[in-house]
Amino acid sequence: EPEVTQTPSHQVTQMGQEVILRCVPISNHLYFYWYRQILGQKVEFLVSFYNNEISEKSEIFDDQFSVERPDGSNFTLKIRSTKLEDSAMYFCASSEPGNHQPQHFGDGTRLSIL
Amino acid sequence: KQEVTQIPAALSVPEGENLVLNCSFTDSAIYNLQWFRQDPGKGLTSLLLIQSSQREQTSGRLNASLDKSSGRSTLYIAASQPGDSATYLCAVRDNAGNMLTFGGGTRLMVKP
Repeated sequence: EPEVTQTPSHQVTQMGQEVILRCVPISNHLYFYWYRQILGQKVEFLVSFYNNEISEKSEIFDDQFSVERPDGSNFTLKIRSTKLEDSAMYFCASSEPGNHQPQHFGDGTRLSIL
Repeated sequence: KQEVTQIPAALSVPEGENLVLNCSFTDSAIYNLQWFRQDPGKGLTSLLLIQSSQREQTSGRLNASLDKSSGRSTLYIAASQPGDSATYLCAVRDNAGNMLTFGGGTRLMVKP
């Protein structure tokens, strides 16, 4: 069964450094998403992306965050200057077009900011 | 703003029991509701998706119901097995956009 794949599985970064999290969505999906889950808290929506632009974003997704689809397969989340509170599990998801399609999630990248 | 709540937060049952997990949401203007399973340190596995026009969906030993007007969904697991031990999350997609709003999850342990 097709899967969403994320790399790396664990990323350790010094505070203030830039980090890029990578995702390969399911190949025929056109909607892409990033969510995060701080340890012990709910999964929170960050951003959705369609047709090479952001379609929706949450209050969390401020100027420090950006997303990109640099080629036909990858979808990336960049955090420009990481803070301690950015430490979380980051999940990528994708879905087929249409309002009634399920979102499929990857295994996540655990980001640890030191 | 949509709020999703799951009760109980944790549940421990002996193997073989039938069980019900509850999910409630505050805004009934939803497109659909999705149930996920999350194993420790892993991603989210989609279990069932119920559209707003549906009352229930079934997959194997799992049955999910939706009462949109009252803002409730239940996940019924029949004949539970130790392999069902995981955290179960519900998430709703509002009419207004693509984002999913998640509940805090129910951590299920099925003892042999």
